Amino acid sequence: DTGVSQNPRHKITKRGQNVTFRCDPISEHNRLYWYRQTLGQGPEFLTYFQNEAQLEKSRLLSDRFSAERPKGSFSTLEIQRTEQGDSAMYLCASNAGGYEQYFGPGTRLTVT
Amino acid sequence: QQQVKQSPQSLIVQKGGISIINCAYENTAFDYFPWYQQFPGKGPALLIAIRPDVSEKKEGRFTISFNKSAKQFSLHIMDSQPGDSATYFCAAHPRDNYGQNFVFGPGTRLSVLP
Repeated sequence: DTGVSQNPRHKITKRGQNVTFRCDPISEHNRLYWYRQTLGQGPEFLTYFQNEAQLEKSRLLSDRFSAERPKGSFSTLEIQRTEQGDSAMYLCASNAGGYEQYFGPGTRLTVT
Repeated sequence: QQQVKQSPQSLIVQKGGISIINCAYENTAFDYFPWYQQFPGKGPALLIAIRPDVSEKKEGRFTISFNKSAKQFSLHIMDSQPGDSATYFCAAHPRDNYGQNFVFGPGTRLSVLP
């Protein structure tokens, strides 16, 4: 399968714990995006990388959130001191320029 | 704040019928309007897209109609099939946005009855 992959697919954590998600984009895609999707809503943009550079961050990305793409390949999204409001589906997408973005299956986070 | 509104929230259509989903935007600085289809447990997948200089685009059973003056665009699914049952999102790309991230509508859950 050469699509965007995300791990884990599901994560249940207790409030206050830290969590980290991983996204592996389609090979040779230099652009990588993180979105958050809550139940009954469309995806909301969080942040965007071109190669290893983080070029844009949404106001939704509080200081508890950090994203990295150290070698311009896979990316990680870490949430520190999780809150119940962080419960959502976290989607990763990638492309090689142009408008079409290829989404992964997402990581569903539940904070109890 | 740039917004994209979408209606209806849910839609039930008989097999073979026409499904129509409408979207409206409030900011003229958008330059690309895609529709995404999302099945449960999957990420969104691009279905069809249009640029504002075109009034209609058709791909198979799927058609986008775009009304620039009204700031509205809609998705028509002809001969709807049970396999079309999914959530559909319209989206808009802000012009001059280097990152090319989208503003999404809240989604329409479509159920096509056999």
